[in-house]
Amino acid sequence: EPEVTQTPSHQVTQMGQEVILRCVPISNHLYFYWYRQILGQKVEFLVSFYNNEISEKSEIFDDQFSVERPDGSNFTLKIRSTKLEDSAMYFCASSAWTGGTEAFFGQGTRLTVV
Amino acid sequence: SQQGEEDPQALSIQEGENATMNCSYKTSINNLQWYRQNSGRGLVHLILIRSNEREKHSGRLRVTLDTSKKSSSLLITASRAADTASYFCAETFGNEKLTFGTGTRLTIIP
Repeated sequence: EPEVTQTPSHQVTQMGQEVILRCVPISNHLYFYWYRQILGQKVEFLVSFYNNEISEKSEIFDDQFSVERPDGSNFTLKIRSTKLEDSAMYFCASSAWTGGTEAFFGQGTRLTVV
Repeated sequence: SQQGEEDPQALSIQEGENATMNCSYKTSINNLQWYRQNSGRGLVHLILIRSNEREKHSGRLRVTLDTSKKSSSLLITASRAADTASYFCAETFGNEKLTFGTGTRLTIIP
């Protein structure tokens, strides 16, 4: 069964460092997303990406964040200068269609900023 | 209540019993989805119900939607230990993003 894969599963980084979280969405999907979940809190939308550009972003997704689809398979989230409050589980998701169809989530990357 | 708030926050039942979780939302929706999350893991899509539907079934899952009350419920029948997880409702309106609720933590006692 096709699945969304994320790497690494866990990343520890020093405050102020740049991190890149990687995702391989399901191959025939067209819509890609990043969500995050701070420990014990709800899952929050960060950004959606379609046709090689951001289609929507939340207030959380400020200038420190960027997304890229550098080739036909990978989808990355970059945090330029990490803060302690960026510590969270980051989930990548993809869907075949828009309009709120089923989204397939990866297993997440646990980011710990120290 | 807040957008996409589940009730109860936590639920413990004996294996074999039915579990019911509720979700309320504030705005109009295109559809509402339910996801399961095992501890520390990713979200798994369970079922999607469109705004013009009132009830939907999938295996042991039954979802209802009441747009007049802006609420949905998820019923898991004949619960199993493997159903232990957190369950989230998520709504969409006009775009692709999912707006998640606060979740219900379900514990099935063997």
